Amino acid sequence: DGGITQSPKYLFRKEGQNVTLSCEQNLNHDAMYWYRQDPGQGLRLIYYSQIVNDFQKGDIAEGYSVSREKKESFPLTVTSAQKNPTAFYLCASSINFGAGQPQHFGDGTRLSIL
Amino acid sequence: GENVEQHPSTLSVQEGDSAVIKCTYSDSASNYFPWYKQELGKGPQLIIDIRSNVGEKKDQRIAVTLNKTAKHFSLHITETQPEDSAVYFCAASEGNNNDMRFGAGTRLTVKP
Repeated sequence: DGGITQSPKYLFRKEGQNVTLSCEQNLNHDAMYWYRQDPGQGLRLIYYSQIVNDFQKGDIAEGYSVSREKKESFPLTVTSAQKNPTAFYLCASSINFGAGQPQHFGDGTRLSIL
Repeated sequence: GENVEQHPSTLSVQEGDSAVIKCTYSDSASNYFPWYKQELGKGPQLIIDIRSNVGEKKDQRIAVTLNKTAKHFSLHITETQPEDSAVYFCAASEGNNNDMRFGAGTRLTVKP
């Protein structure tokens, strides 16, 4: 079945450590997104990519980095510069970045601090 | 930029009753309004969406209405069932790209 796979489901980070969250899609979608979800808040956009080898900062990009070397993959690195990384991270994709395209989500990665 | 507000933050109904969740948006250029259902430990799942050229859309027990003049849209769930219990998010995106803004979510509890 087509879909978006995020791994791992749970991740723990030590002080000063970078961690990378995986996001893979087999929907042949051009656009991919990373969101952060905190309790009682809506989804906030970290980064998005309209096409391979392209990515743009969202509203809360500080302390995060991404790459888009392959169409199906959009990994997110949470760097040590992100001082409050504990959250639920969601990856999404859409056919393209044109107006009104439904975004399809993975099942998330929950990141916690050790 | 776009700002989406969602009310109420929590909603509890008896099984079989209706539930209504409301969202307002600020950017009159927004023209696409999806609703997502998120179950515990899962990602949001699209349940219904509406575009600005339509005032109402229905899919079985779920309907969405849009008032462009007032810049608000609502999700209506009829004959609620316990499996409807989840967090529901509304969103709005602008007319020329897919930058989507989400409401803060509504936790719906359907009591048997």
